[in-house]
Amino acid sequence: DIQMTQSPPSLSASVGARVTITCQASQDISNFLNWYQQKPGKAPKLLIYDASNLETGVPSRFSGSGSGTDFTFTISSLQPEDIATYFCQQYDNLPLSFGGGTKVEIK
Amino acid sequence: EVQLVESGGGLVKPGRSLRLSCIASGFTFSDYAMSWFRQAPGKGLEWVGFIRGKGYGGTTEYAASVKGRFTISRDDSKSIAYLQMSSLKTEDTAVYYCTRERHPGAYDFDYWGQGTLVTVSS
Repeated sequence: DIQMTQSPPSLSASVGARVTITCQASQDISNFLNWYQQKPGKAPKLLIYDASNLETGVPSRFSGSGSGTDFTFTISSLQPEDIATYFCQQYDNLPLSFGGGTKVEIK
Repeated sequence: EVQLVESGGGLVKPGRSLRLSCIASGFTFSDYAMSWFRQAPGKGLEWVGFIRGKGYGGTTEYAASVKGRFTISRDDSKSIAYLQMSSLKTEDTAVYYCTRERHPGAYDFDYWGQGTLVTVSS
């Protein structure tokens, strides 16, 4: 099974700050990676697919990059509505697996 | 508008069974694979399994943690996906989400239900 290691587990940043989250796969997963946003009490929402493709309707301040084993998710200018937990998820192999999540808060 | 609505959650004793339903609307249900995920209280996300669409034989795949105990099925005439859970354990306690896979084999889960809570406790 592929293990996904996501860091940091939590972060606090000011409004307007650049936020970066990393996700590392235990083996090469090419670009088969999704990023999700989950707000408290809500279902996850797909933000990025195929590592770097922005889902329709998602603000352009969100972006993703990487391939192989190392991936990055970036919020270019943190907004109050971005407060949430973010998860990466690989789909190179079954079982599908997720990173542990990064809780993003406003400083 | 695409909607997924789960139901059937509740409190159940260890060893018992429970069936969750996911009623879909706003799209041609039979064309899409449907997946189930779960999230234990305060924890991360876990894939449970999925069922492929009609064009791909409606076959299923499961996580090792539920294989042999959980069964996913679908009724395309009613646009409903089911998650039959048996021999439930306390560690199955979680919010269960059903999702739609936008493109076959792409695992791009673009719509999620609101979730239904299953609590396994004596």
